Amino acid sequence: KQEVTQIPAALSVPEGENLVLNCSFTDSAIYNLQWFRQDPGKGLTSLLLIQSSQREQTSGRLNASLDKSSGRSTLYIAASQPGDSATYLCAVRPIKAAGNKLTFGGGTRVLVKP
Amino acid sequence: DARVTQTPRHKVTEMGQEVTMRCQPILGHNTVFWYRQTMMQGLELLAYFRNRAPLDDSGMPKDRFSAEMPDATLATLKIQPSEPRDSAVYFCASGPDYSNQPQHFGDGTRLSIL
Repeated sequence: KQEVTQIPAALSVPEGENLVLNCSFTDSAIYNLQWFRQDPGKGLTSLLLIQSSQREQTSGRLNASLDKSSGRSTLYIAASQPGDSATYLCAVRPIKAAGNKLTFGGGTRVLVKP
Repeated sequence: DARVTQTPRHKVTEMGQEVTMRCQPILGHNTVFWYRQTMMQGLELLAYFRNRAPLDDSGMPKDRFSAEMPDATLATLKIQPSEPRDSAVYFCASGPDYSNQPQHFGDGTRLSIL
C-alpha cells in the first residue's frame, strides 16, 4: 500500500529565507506527484505537477524536484514571504490505483514571519 | 476562473439527522472525488466517479454514507444517520481524466455533528 509522508509537520522561517519542504513515498510506481497549497478554511490549490518521467517543475519562485527511485520529492520556495504561510501537501497518483486517485501526505504547516 | 462549488459551506446539526452535501464540478471535468479531512486522519478519499459512474467508494462507510451524481453538474454526498465522529471538512474535487492534469478542489463543507 502506498504511503506518503511529509516531515516536518510544521515549519517556521523568517521572511526572505528559502523554504525546503520534503515528501517521501513508499512505492515508486507512480504516474505523477503533485504539490498543493491549502489556506485556512479553504480547499487545496494545485501548485505543481511532476510526471514520473520528469525530474523537476518550476513556477515562479517554486521549484519541485522528483527522485522516483528513492521515493522523494522536494518543494523549494525561494525568498519566502508572509503570504506563503499555508499548509503544503504532496500527493502521488499510484499506478496500481484505479483511475485518477491520489494518495496524500499529512502536510507541512508553514509560517513565514515578517 | 472555473471553480468547483460546494454547498453548504458550514453545517451544524444534531446526531441522527440526515446531512446532504452538494458539489458542482467544473464544466467538462468527467472525474469527481469526495474527500474527508480531519486532524487525525488527514485527507481520505471517500468516493470517486468517472462519467457519473461510481468507480470506487471503498473509503466510504457503506451503512450510513451514500454518494451519487444525478447529472454531470451535480454530485451529492449524504450521511444518514449522522454521528459525532462524522464531524470533518468534506471536499469535492473534479478533474479531466488525464494523468497529466491536476484535480481542482472546492472550498469544502465544514460539518459539525453535535
